[in-house]
Amino acid sequence: GQNIDQPTEMTATEGAIVQINCTYQTSGFNGLFWYQQHAGEAPTFLSYNVLDGLEEKGRFSSFLSRSKGYSYLLLKELQMKDSASYLCAVRDNEAAGNKLTFGGGTRVLVKP
Amino acid sequence: GAVVSQHPSRVICKSGTSVKIECRSLDFQATTMFWYRQFPKQSLMLMATSNEGSKATYEQGVEKDKFLINHASLTLSTLTVTSAHPEDSSFYICSAREVGTLSLDGYTFGSGTRLTVV
Repeated sequence: GQNIDQPTEMTATEGAIVQINCTYQTSGFNGLFWYQQHAGEAPTFLSYNVLDGLEEKGRFSSFLSRSKGYSYLLLKELQMKDSASYLCAVRDNEAAGNKLTFGGGTRVLVKP
Repeated sequence: GAVVSQHPSRVICKSGTSVKIECRSLDFQATTMFWYRQFPKQSLMLMATSNEGSKATYEQGVEKDKFLINHASLTLSTLTVTSAHPEDSSFYICSAREVGTLSLDGYTFGSGTRLTVV
């Protein structure tokens, strides 16, 4: 099974940087995903890490350390539209059906 | 890109009735469909995994006789909430995994169904 932890809420100022941490304990690991979700909508894909290191995509970056069971999502140059929930999800291995298990989500509030 | 069409987007039903939710992959074949439930201000909780042509695998604590899942083809999976009760009111989302894909693009989410049982 998977145990995934991330902070419940974070508040940041427009234009600033926010880092959302995610720790996980898994019985099988085959990649870590970050999704953004606005209220009442489906999650949208942000990033994917399967190897250690940093993946950068525009204003969003994600880091993974498999030995530490740790990832973070970094949001730069925050905009008001970035106010949303950010979900960390770990993928099981093939034998377990490649399921995605989601953390509780981190609600980010961007203030002017 | 891959698209999953989920219907209905919203449904209100009376307690005791059944509701069917459909997820259809429009431009790809979905080997596997995942069904999630999300309560307000909570994350997505996996309910079950369905593979085309076989029985669904339910997560612990999910009643398989209450949440009937059918994945009869590579493009359609349905979730039927039987004898719905107010506590079943939730946001239900499907996610399809494309055949032969094991990458960041391998999971496509439907737009979700808001179920309200009155």
